[in-house]
Amino acid sequence: DIQMTQSPSSLSASVGDRVTITCRASQSISSYLNWYQQKPGKAPNLLIYAASSLQSGVPSRFSGSGSGTDFTLTISSLQPEDFATYYCQQSHSIPPTFGQGTKVEIK
Amino acid sequence: QLQLQESGPGLVKPSETLSLTCTVSGGSISSSSYYWGWIRQPPGKGLEWIGSIYYSGTTYYNPSLESRVTISVDTSKNQFSLKLSSVAAADTAIYYCASSIAVAPRYFDPWGQGTLVTVSS
Repeated sequence: DIQMTQSPSSLSASVGDRVTITCRASQSISSYLNWYQQKPGKAPNLLIYAASSLQSGVPSRFSGSGSGTDFTLTISSLQPEDFATYYCQQSHSIPPTFGQGTKVEIK
Repeated sequence: QLQLQESGPGLVKPSETLSLTCTVSGGSISSSSYYWGWIRQPPGKGLEWIGSIYYSGTTYYNPSLESRVTISVDTSKNQFSLKLSSVAAADTAIYYCASSIAVAPRYFDPWGQGTLVTVSS
């Protein structure tokens, strides 16, 4: 299985901050990397697919980059509704695997 | 627009079989454009893919669960189902159904709201 490692596991930030979350794959996954946002008590919601493509309806302050083994999710200006847990997921190989999550909390 | 909804018992006894159904609306489960999958999340923990099925019946399972998992599709009811046998406390989780497009990059979208299944006597 391909292991996905996110860092940090949690972070505290203020409204308006620029936030960066990284995801590293245990082997090259090309650009088969997706990002999800999960709020408490809700199902995950797709934000970014294929490393850098913004899902329809997702605000443009979210962006993704990377290829191979190293990927980044950036929130350019953190909004109150962005406080949540973020997961990366590789879709290069079966089984698809997720990172352990990054919880973004209010400072 | 596709919508998915899980249903099934919220409590299962140890060693018994967990059975859940996902009802698809807003589209046909017989579409060649999608796979239909199950993903679980133990309380307070991360996400684990269980398996997926194509409308033709072709299945893909997580090797870690393969010996206990069966996923099937009922095209007449626009539903697909999960059976997980010989459950233990470690199988307590929120179980989500989700669709994924049949071609790369095969992301999961949309997801059902999830259903909590507790394994306890």
